[in-house]
Amino acid sequence: GAVVSQHPSWVICKSGTSVKIECRSLDFQATTMFWYRQFPKQSLMLMATSNEGSKATYEQGVEKDKFLINHASLTLSTLTVTSAHPEDSSFYICSAPDRDFIGYTFGSGTRLTVV
Amino acid sequence: GEDVEQSLFLSVREGDSSVINCTYTDSSSTYLYWYKQEPGAGLQLLTYIFSNMDMKQDQRLTVLLNKKDKHLSLRIADTQTGDSAIYFCAAPRTGYALNFGKGTSLLVTP
Repeated sequence: GAVVSQHPSWVICKSGTSVKIECRSLDFQATTMFWYRQFPKQSLMLMATSNEGSKATYEQGVEKDKFLINHASLTLSTLTVTSAHPEDSSFYICSAPDRDFIGYTFGSGTRLTVV
Repeated sequence: GEDVEQSLFLSVREGDSSVINCTYTDSSSTYLYWYKQEPGAGLQLLTYIFSNMDMKQDQRLTVLLNKKDKHLSLRIADTQTGDSAIYFCAAPRTGYALNFGKGTSLLVTP
């Protein structure tokens, strides 16, 4: 079945630094990638939608200059958290739909801790 | 946007059946999903149901859909301790991303 490989699985960084999270579709082409964040014991909240070759669409309240999304190829989408702050600590998960938007494959998630 | 609501906590004894309920608002949802999340892990698709179906059964899992009431349920038969996890109900929203409920924490006790 379809697999989305997400790296790193966890990262600890200092305040003010940037962190890049990668999601790769291993055996299919992901023209769209959804990026979610999940706070402890809460639901997944959609942050942005990226489409290969075009600018990402951000949800209301999500700072596009802080959460940089790049989807330069059909198999790779990246989320860069810039100038990270402790309040950015969260679990970030990517998800790629199949061509018909029926099946959704999720990455295994990245636990970001900003100290 | 789509609102998805579900009960937050359920505790059952091993061997009993578990029923997790969910309500959604968008009647145009074509598919509805159930995902399982274990601590610190990503989401695992358990099952999904097409909106023109009333029921879908897959081994120990039974999904019931009442489209009129916009109510979805997941029944797990013969619940095991390994079923302890958080279960999310999800429905597509405009733009095709999934909207998730808050998740139901299922605790299975021996």
